[in-house]
Amino acid sequence: KNQVEQSPQSLIILEGKNCTLQCNYTVSPFSNLRWYKQDTGRGPVSLTIMTFSENTKSNGRYTATLDADTKQSSLHITASQLSDSASYICVVRPTGGNNRLAFGKGNQVVVIP
Amino acid sequence: SQTIHQWPATLVQPVGSPLSLECTVEGTSNPNLYWYRQAAGRGLQLLFYSVGIGQISSEVPQNLSASRPQDRQFILSSKKLLLSDSGFYLCAWSAGTGAYNEQFFGPGTRLTVL
Repeated sequence: KNQVEQSPQSLIILEGKNCTLQCNYTVSPFSNLRWYKQDTGRGPVSLTIMTFSENTKSNGRYTATLDADTKQSSLHITASQLSDSASYICVVRPTGGNNRLAFGKGNQVVVIP
Repeated sequence: SQTIHQWPATLVQPVGSPLSLECTVEGTSNPNLYWYRQAAGRGLQLLFYSVGIGQISSEVPQNLSASRPQDRQFILSSKKLLLSDSGFYLCAWSAGTGAYNEQFFGPGTRLTVL
């Protein structure tokens, strides 16, 4: 079973609307949780990072939340733009420094005009 | 600033042919280097990582190998490609192992084995 599960697998939203992506993980203990944005055919780019003691982190129209008790994180996109069409990947780094990150399969977001 | 390069960007190879994908990093010294494969509908799978020249750790048994001949060069190879080797290959680098340590990804190589 994958240690990081993301939902929904894919969604289509209208330009200007908000959406929330979910990430549930079983990795424990962990040092940080990161959300990446991956445009089609490109490498992932980091959006936000939170350590286990942080609850929220924003990057422009992207806001990530973390509940370490329930092992859940979310990424909220406000006032979506066409350029937000991408895959959003939740990545959890276990404590231990071995660099073996746990990756979710991604949320595929398509923003339509 | 640091940059990471991968080439080629796309590659179509017949089954049984050899493979060589190259990754180079600029603007940093002694980086940790990684090779990932991303199959359609699946998460990134770590294939190899390296903490220094000539030091390679393999994560899964497979048809591929990696080498690090220079500090900022990482090569992914195969002697004979399989159909299952098709996918999107990503190279990444990181500096150190701190709590906020980020892995920076390259642009990727799309490999199609026919």
